[in-house]
Amino acid sequence: GAVVSQHPSWVICKSGTSVKIECRSLDFQATTMFWYRQFPKQSLMLMATSNEGSKATYEQGVEKDKFLINHASLTLSTLTVTSAHPEDSSFYICSATRTNSPHYEQYFGPGTRLTVT
Amino acid sequence: GQQLNQSPQSMFIQEGEDVSMNCTSSSIFNTWLWYKQEPGEGPVLLIALYKAGELTSNGRLTAQFGITRKDSFLNISASIPSDVGIYFCAGLIQGAQKLVFGQGTRLTINP
Repeated sequence: GAVVSQHPSWVICKSGTSVKIECRSLDFQATTMFWYRQFPKQSLMLMATSNEGSKATYEQGVEKDKFLINHASLTLSTLTVTSAHPEDSSFYICSATRTNSPHYEQYFGPGTRLTVT
Repeated sequence: GQQLNQSPQSMFIQEGEDVSMNCTSSSIFNTWLWYKQEPGEGPVLLIALYKAGELTSNGRLTAQFGITRKDSFLNISASIPSDVGIYFCAGLIQGAQKLVFGQGTRLTINP
């Protein structure tokens, strides 16, 4: 159990366009999901915490109008990169915690490689 | 804010050798998690530790939650080529849901 999927696994888009990334918990309900960004050879950087049915909480320095997060159900959160620029190219990873879990372990998706040309 | 210091940053070992890596912090954590990440993939949870002093194994992997709650180590015995990857420690403080990550240990194995 505790499988998280992401779609797409990779995407190439042109500058100025928007890209939506989906994160799904396949075999459990996830009240809380997280979105991370990872640069080459670096650790994961938390962008935002997404709670089902409420607004996401963004980390300092992350533009909420640029990285739109919607957590519409207990199994799906989406991240939309709006008006993408080449500097937004990165590896985006989501994670999810089981609803009612006392320990808050995070289970990660396989990641989405975004390339903005 | 909380920080985790993970060491070593990289390891180059021969197949069959044992591996040890650790994470330390100045802050107290209630949960320690160890993840492995392979290139182009998301981290996979290897071991979760919930109590100070807890020692947990998962196959050839063994991890311990330090008594002071400020450190944890991960050992891999008899390494094999598929152990190659980046290992991250992560901690959770009381009442928080956000993970604090270590910088990662990159493991390379020579056959």
